Amino acid sequence: DVKVTQSSRYLVKRTGEKVFLECVQDMDHENMFWYRQDPGLGLRLIYFSYDVKMKEKGDIPEGYSVSREKKERFSLILESASTNQTSMYLCASSASGISGNTIYFGEGSWLTVV
Amino acid sequence: SQQGEEDPQALSIQEGENATMNCSYKTSINNLQWYRQNSGRGLVHLILIRSNEREKHSGRLRVTLDTSKKSSSLLITASRAADTASYFCATDNNTDKLIFGTGTRLQVFP
Repeated sequence: DVKVTQSSRYLVKRTGEKVFLECVQDMDHENMFWYRQDPGLGLRLIYFSYDVKMKEKGDIPEGYSVSREKKERFSLILESASTNQTSMYLCASSASGISGNTIYFGEGSWLTVV
Repeated sequence: SQQGEEDPQALSIQEGENATMNCSYKTSINNLQWYRQNSGRGLVHLILIRSNEREKHSGRLRVTLDTSKKSSSLLITASRAADTASYFCATDNNTDKLIFGTGTRLQVFP
């Protein structure tokens, strides 16, 4: 069974803290994604990685960075957390090469910045 | 650059009724997919329809696609309480990136 695992389900961080959200997939997928989900706004793409050490900005990359040192792991980094980054963060992965591939999601990480 | 907009935003029906959700998008697409999200969980893929297809079925799900109107609909027949969830359409334009809509919250009452 395919699996995308997000290491933290619920986090509470203070403004200005550096925050790491970790994601691991076991499907040998080339593509990995970080989305942010807010009420009424749907899912918005933060960053996309199509290979190890390769990344591409999504629609809302400001305030975020990512790291992909190994194929199975994709990390989202908030360099200095702010209250407007309180949200649900969803990691996902897919195979590459053919559009229309299914995207597999993790269960989400709820981040509260106080 | 939100690609898809679902309509209605929220839908409440009784068990046994059919639920129809609509999705509109702005630019040309290669594929359109529908995903389901239970409250507070990740999204799960339901069905994919390609731009050269007009209708597709999977169990109680029926998806239509009208590329001339840039719209798609998801019909869930004979709904059940377990169908209660949010439903999202997602599109791609020959890339690996999916652009998601804002979703429809479906509530099915027993």
